[in-house]
Amino acid sequence: GEDVEQSLFLSVREGDSSVINCTYTDSSSTYLYWYKQEPGAGLQLLTYIFSNMDMKQDQRLTVLLNKKDKHLSLRIADTQTGDSAIYFCAEKKGGKLIFGQGTELSVKP
Amino acid sequence: GAVVSQHPSRVICKSGTSVKIECRSLDFQATTMFWYRQFPKQSLMLMATSNEGSKATYEQGVEKDKFLINHASLTLSTLTVTSAHPEDSSFYICSASGPNTGELFFGEGSRLTVL
Repeated sequence: GEDVEQSLFLSVREGDSSVINCTYTDSSSTYLYWYKQEPGAGLQLLTYIFSNMDMKQDQRLTVLLNKKDKHLSLRIADTQTGDSAIYFCAEKKGGKLIFGQGTELSVKP
Repeated sequence: GAVVSQHPSRVICKSGTSVKIECRSLDFQATTMFWYRQFPKQSLMLMATSNEGSKATYEQGVEKDKFLINHASLTLSTLTVTSAHPEDSSFYICSASGPNTGELFFGEGSRLTVL
């Protein structure tokens, strides 16, 4: 995923908010996605945002999109130990998904 | 949300044999499915786009004769790893576009180990 970049690790305490950041390169991307992957499992679609939106909120999840800076973030409110996983952002280019390297979120009790 | 299912979840085979992995959309029709490969601690690499009723489109560097893709119905795509070798050992994941615009769902993944 050289077109999409994420920091590799994030550690937070239970109950705090987590913010996972992502930068992408193609301003023509139509949709941007956040997926969660637990060890040995597939990818779970958490949320996605259309490129003409700035923000999308779904329960504990808030996605912010800054098209000018090509920056996408995922905020998880009240982070729980069950949120520990790898989080991938992805941009949709020409029907294909281009993934970032994934951010490993560690939640400490 | 819509469900994409893969089978088998784990498979171990001997070098030189072929292995088939199935990807099904359980409650929606998917004219297009995607096959990815994931190495440990790494991101997903798109291998090919599977189109119902036509030939798959392979990404650069992916051998089409090695990784045979068949998408014979609107709910099923299969990936066959032919003459598998230990370097083919990996986690293979499929995805399909959901019924709502923009949705892309993934299967649970299939871990292939070639001895």
